[in-house]
Amino acid sequence: EAQVTQNPRYLITVTGKKLTVTCSQNMNHEYMSWYRQDPGLGLRQIYYSMNVEVTDKGDVPEGYKVSRKEKRNFPLILESPSPNQTSLYFCASRPMGNYGYTFGSGTRLTVV
Amino acid sequence: GQNIDQPTEMTATEGAIVQINCTYQTSGFNGLFWYQQHAGEAPTFLSYNVLDGLEEKGRFSSFLSRSKGYSYLLLKELQMKDSASYLCAVRDGEGAGTALIFGKGTTLSVSS
Repeated sequence: EAQVTQNPRYLITVTGKKLTVTCSQNMNHEYMSWYRQDPGLGLRQIYYSMNVEVTDKGDVPEGYKVSRKEKRNFPLILESPSPNQTSLYFCASRPMGNYGYTFGSGTRLTVV
Repeated sequence: GQNIDQPTEMTATEGAIVQINCTYQTSGFNGLFWYQQHAGEAPTFLSYNVLDGLEEKGRFSSFLSRSKGYSYLLLKELQMKDSASYLCAVRDGEGAGTALIFGKGTTLSVSS
């Protein structure tokens, strides 16, 4: 089944403890992206990648890192999480060209 | 700047027809997408318009007017399961890395 897989689905952590949210897609998509979704603000792009070793900032990149060492994987790294990073995170992928995204199931992160 | 506007909330009854409007002001335009998102779940693709006119897909239709910066999503024969948030998203350029810019979403509540 073609899908984007994110892990974990739920995570509660403490301020300052590094964490990684994994994202993997099995559709050979070139383009991958991370969004966060907050009430009243909608989906906002954090980082995106157009292919292996090619990443760039989205609208809200502060406090996040990403890497794209393999085409299928695009992990989101929070080096020192803070409470304002409490949010619902979505990974998404698409082929190059004018196509819509396929989204992962989401990761609900709480930083206390 | 980039701006996508949708009503925050709408209500309707089972069996009715509802129209969700979306207006956009973006630096470029290369397609408009509608997604459905149930609470706590991933957005799922509903429709895509890049040329003016109406695209029909079963109970759902989407319309685009590029000159007016306007789109709507039409849902017919409403069912309880259509209660969800509906997201309008615009691709604002033709480059390979252009992201989707999302509106804040319209929460539709369908009652019996």
